[in-house]
Amino acid sequence: AQKITQTQPGMFVQEKEAVTLDCTYDTSDPSYGLFWYKQPSSGEMIFLIYQGSYDQQNATEGRYSLNFQKARKSANLVISASQLGDSAMYFCAIRGGSNYKLTFGKGTLLTVNP
Amino acid sequence: GAVVSQHPSRVICKSGTSVKIECRSLDFQATTMFWYRQFPKQSLMLMATSNEGSKATYEQGVEKDKFLINHASLTLSTLTVTSAHPEDSSFYICSALPGTGNYGYTFGSGTRLTVV
Repeated sequence: AQKITQTQPGMFVQEKEAVTLDCTYDTSDPSYGLFWYKQPSSGEMIFLIYQGSYDQQNATEGRYSLNFQKARKSANLVISASQLGDSAMYFCAIRGGSNYKLTFGKGTLLTVNP
Repeated sequence: GAVVSQHPSRVICKSGTSVKIECRSLDFQATTMFWYRQFPKQSLMLMATSNEGSKATYEQGVEKDKFLINHASLTLSTLTVTSAHPEDSSFYICSALPGTGNYGYTFGSGTRLTVV
């Protein structure tokens, strides 16, 4: 079974600053994938970034980067140059095994202040 | 990119009635559909996994007779909440595989169900 732990229920950041959202995971599968999603108040799930367990380099997608530390089982999301529109819930998720199920963490509510 | 159309986006129903939620993949064939439930300010909890042409696999604690899932075609999966009660009020969202892009997962836009 897979497990995701997000220990920050809420985070605040000033506009234009960078912020790190924490995510640790647990899995017994040697091959797995880690995802970050953004969920605004409208409810849609917006894919942000993906990191495969065998990827040698940290994933980056525009202002999003993933600080992947495999030995520590952590996959923190870094958002650079925060914007007001970044205010939302952020979920870390893991896919492992052959059933392709995604297991989500409890989420972090990010608030960007002007 | 891949799109999953989920309807309705919002529904209010009376206690005891049934509600059907549809997820339709518009530009790809979804062999697998995941159905999630999300209570306010909580995480997404997987309810069931459906594969086209076969019975859905329900997660532990999810009543299969209450939450009927049908995945009769490669482009359509439905979730029917039968005999709805106020405690079934929640946000329901589907996710289809395989999509294109996003490493395979394409989410619907969700359905906010309120049972009165």
